[in-house]
Amino acid sequence: GAVVSQHPSRVICKSGTSVKIECRSLDFQATTMFWYRQFPKQSLMLMATSNEGSKATYEQGVEKDKFLINHASLTLSTLTVTSAHPEDSSFYICSAPRQPTSGYTFGSGTRLTVV
Amino acid sequence: GDSVTQMEGPVTLSEEAFLTINCTYTATGYPSLFWYVQYPGEGLQLLLKATKADDKGSNKGFEATYRKETTSFHLEKGSVQVSDSAVYFCALSERNAGNMLTFGGGTRLMVKP
Repeated sequence: GAVVSQHPSRVICKSGTSVKIECRSLDFQATTMFWYRQFPKQSLMLMATSNEGSKATYEQGVEKDKFLINHASLTLSTLTVTSAHPEDSSFYICSAPRQPTSGYTFGSGTRLTVV
Repeated sequence: GDSVTQMEGPVTLSEEAFLTINCTYTATGYPSLFWYVQYPGEGLQLLLKATKADDKGSNKGFEATYRKETTSFHLEKGSVQVSDSAVYFCALSERNAGNMLTFGGGTRLMVKP
């Protein structure tokens, strides 16, 4: 149980285009979803926290207009990388707490390559 | 703020060797502690967890004990296998921080046959 489906798993896009990444909780309701970014050989960095029905909370240094987050339902959160550039190439992963002390369920991640 | 410090890798071991990956933390309250594992090309998976002091989390032969006095949550395994090669992340979460996870830097483990 507690599965989070994330897709696409890999995407290659051209500079200047936008890419949408979806995370769906399949068997539970996720009122909160966390979005992380992982640079090569580095740890995960929290980008933002999305809350169903309200605006996302962004971490310091994360551009709100570039990384658009929408959490329109209890089972779906999306991250849109707008006007992507090569420096946005990274591994993006979402997670949702089903029960905080039970751990977090992670999506399988999205490898974004901007060429 | 909260932080998690892990030993830097990579850690290279021979098969059947004993593994320890150190993890220490700083937190304002009483966090829950986790170890996550990321196998090559895959997303993160919860390996084990502990929610209060002296709890021991265990899974797949891995163990970690929540030590409040030393603010540590070291990961151990008595006999590693090649299939254990992965990146291991120590993490904590606190209710008063919105339950978001704070990760350590990750430790890459390479097990050679």
